[in-house]
Amino acid sequence: DTGVSQNPRHKITKRGQNVTFRCDPISEHNRLYWYRQTLGQGPEFLTYFQNEAQLEKSRLLSDRFSAERPKGSFSTLEIQRTEQGDSAMYLCASSLAAGGMFSRYGYTFGSGTRLTVV
Amino acid sequence: AQTVTQSQPEMSVQEAETVTLSCTYDTSENNYYLFWYKQPPSRQMILVIRQEAYKQQNATENRFSVNFQKAAKSFSLKISDSQLGDTAMYFCAFTPNNYGQNFVFGPGTRLSVLP
Repeated sequence: DTGVSQNPRHKITKRGQNVTFRCDPISEHNRLYWYRQTLGQGPEFLTYFQNEAQLEKSRLLSDRFSAERPKGSFSTLEIQRTEQGDSAMYLCASSLAAGGMFSRYGYTFGSGTRLTVV
Repeated sequence: AQTVTQSQPEMSVQEAETVTLSCTYDTSENNYYLFWYKQPPSRQMILVIRQEAYKQQNATENRFSVNFQKAAKSFSLKISDSQLGDTAMYFCAFTPNNYGQNFVFGPGTRLSVLP
């Protein structure tokens, strides 16, 4: 397993367009998380899944943001009608549900998708 | 609200020297967990060290150690024998419960190790 994979690595889009990012977690991890990281800040939690169930979505930034994990494996994060303020890096992470955060390699981040809205 | 503060936006240290990065946090929880993560230019967040709040003993991991002061809500990271590969952004992070869902991150400290 090569870790958490995110695609694309970079995305440039025009304001008003829709964008979708993909995250492939570590195969045995049943939890998957999305974070947003703006320039000069730490990552900000957005949402997470356990298997295919989205257990927390109140932190999604607006109704333009949505995430899916239809078969409990990969996930997609979609931003509709992008705005310049959406420019940021979007990080995905995965873990095991039971204590994954607390084991040495139990909570693994991907390298992110950097979104630029022009 | 739970918040994490890192008051040093940037720091530098000479190779082989020791540097300490500061972190304070605010929570009303009694049981929680604290972490330091490193983000090199490759962008992937890498766990450096973690501390359980109920443990009085400070965590150590090779050249990395923490000074955890629960009453002061302070959690600093000491890097000994700094190496060029330690150059990165360092984020202090907190999770407020046993079930380990998401982190609350600080704004980060950019550390440069100088040859």
